[in-house]
Amino acid sequence: AQSVTQLDSHVSVSEGTPVLLRCNYSSSYSPSLFWYVQHPNKGLQLLLKYTSAATLVKGINGFEAEFKKSETSFHLTKPSAHMSDAAEYFCVVSRMDSSYKLIFGSGTRLLVRP
Amino acid sequence: SAVISQKPSRDICQRGTSLTIQCQVDSQVTMMFWYRQQPGQSLTLIATANQGSEATYESGFVIDKFPISRPNLTFSTLTVSNMSPEDSSIYLCSVVIAGVYEQYFGPGTRLTVT
Repeated sequence: AQSVTQLDSHVSVSEGTPVLLRCNYSSSYSPSLFWYVQHPNKGLQLLLKYTSAATLVKGINGFEAEFKKSETSFHLTKPSAHMSDAAEYFCVVSRMDSSYKLIFGSGTRLLVRP
Repeated sequence: SAVISQKPSRDICQRGTSLTIQCQVDSQVTMMFWYRQQPGQSLTLIATANQGSEATYESGFVIDKFPISRPNLTFSTLTVSNMSPEDSSIYLCSVVIAGVYEQYFGPGTRLTVT
C-alpha cells in the first residue's frame, strides 16, 4: 500500500535559520511527489514537484527537496527561514492507480520565531 | 495555472439539511476532484468529478451522501446531504490542466454543522 509519513507534526525555527521538513514515502513503484503549503485561511499552494526527472527539485520561495530512492525520502529544505514561511506543509504522493489522485501526509506546522 | 473559485466560502448549517458547494475554474480542465479536510487533519479525496457522467467515489464515500455533478469542463458541484456535526470540515475542489502535471486547489469551503 502507498503511504506518506511526515515525521514531525510541528517544527519551530528562528528567522534566518535553515528549515528541514521531513517526509518518507512507501510505494512499490516510482511515484510522483509534491510539497504543498497551506497558509492560515488560505488555499493550498504547490511548492514543488518531483516527477522522475532531476532528483533535486527547486520550488518557489527558495524551497527545495531531494528525492532519495534508497532512503524513500523527500525532505523539504530552505536555507533561511522567513516569518512569512509560517504555515502548514503537506508532503504528497501520487497514487499507483491514478497518478492524478493524491495521498496527503498528515502535515507539518512550521513556526518561525523572530 | 488556473484560477479556481468556490461558493460559498463558509457556511453554518443545521443538522439534517443539505448544502451545495460550487467550484468554478477559469479555464477548461481535464480532471476535477473534491477533497475533505476535517478539523486539524490532512486532506482526503472524496471523489473524481467526471464530466457528463457519475462521479467516481473513494472508499468510505457514497453518492447518496455526497452527490456530485460536473456538467461541463469548468464547473462542478458537491452536495453534502443530511448533514451531521461530523461533516464539519473544509471542502476543497482541485483541478488538473491538460498538459500540466500539477494539481491546483480552490480556496475551500468551510462548513460548520450545528
